[in-house]
Amino acid sequence: GIQVEQSPPDLILQEGANSTLRCNFSDSVNNLQWFHQNPWGQLINLFYIPSGTKQNGRLSATTVATERYSLLYISSSQTTDSGVYFCAARTTGFQKLVFGTGTRLLVSP
Amino acid sequence: DAGVTQSPTHLIKTRGQQVTLRCSPISGHKSVSWYQQVLGQGPQFIFQYYEKEERGRGNFPDRFSARQFPNYSSELNVNALLLGDSALYLCASSLAEGRSEKLFFGSGTQLSVL
Repeated sequence: GIQVEQSPPDLILQEGANSTLRCNFSDSVNNLQWFHQNPWGQLINLFYIPSGTKQNGRLSATTVATERYSLLYISSSQTTDSGVYFCAARTTGFQKLVFGTGTRLLVSP
Repeated sequence: DAGVTQSPTHLIKTRGQQVTLRCSPISGHKSVSWYQQVLGQGPQFIFQYYEKEERGRGNFPDRFSARQFPNYSSELNVNALLLGDSALYLCASSLAEGRSEKLFFGSGTQLSVL
C-alpha cells in the first residue's frame, strides 16, 4: 500500500513564527487531507487537497501530485496551533486513507 | 448541526472481555469509518461502511467487527480483549466515499484494557 511520511517529526516555535510541514507519499493519490489533533485528541479536518493550493486564514496547503508531496504552511503561529498535524492519503483502487506518523508542533508564548 | 458523536468517551475493561463502541455520523453522512490510534502513532484504518455495507477492512484480527444501522450510526465490537487493544478509537463520517471522501472525526473513545 501507499507509504506516507511526514517531516519534521517535532517542531518547536515561538508565537508569531511561520512554519512549513511536509508530507511525502509513495504513490499517486486521488485524495489527500490534512488534520490537526489538539491536545485533547480531537482530529480536525484542515484541508481536503488532492492537488493545487488552498488557504484558510493563517493556514494554507499545497499539493504537487506529480512530485508526490504536500506542504502545510502555518503563518503567525499561536499557542492554540499546538498539537499534532497529520496528512492522510488514498491511492487509486485502494479503499482506505493512510495516515502519516504526524508532526508534533509546540508553540510557546 | 451536531458533529460526529461517539460513546462512551472512556472505557476500562479487563483482558478477555468484550466491548462495544458507538458512533453517530453527521446528519446526511452515509459513510462511517473506524480508526485505532495507539499513543504516539497516526490513526490506523479498521473498517469502512457505506450505505450499511462493508466497503473496506484494515489489517485487524477477526476479533474486531462492526456494523452500520439503517440510520447510518455504527457500532464497533471487539471480542477477547488484549492489552494491546488499549488505544483511542476514532469514528469518522463522510458525505461520500472514495476519491471525494472528506473525513470528519468524533472525539474518540479511550479504551484501556487491564
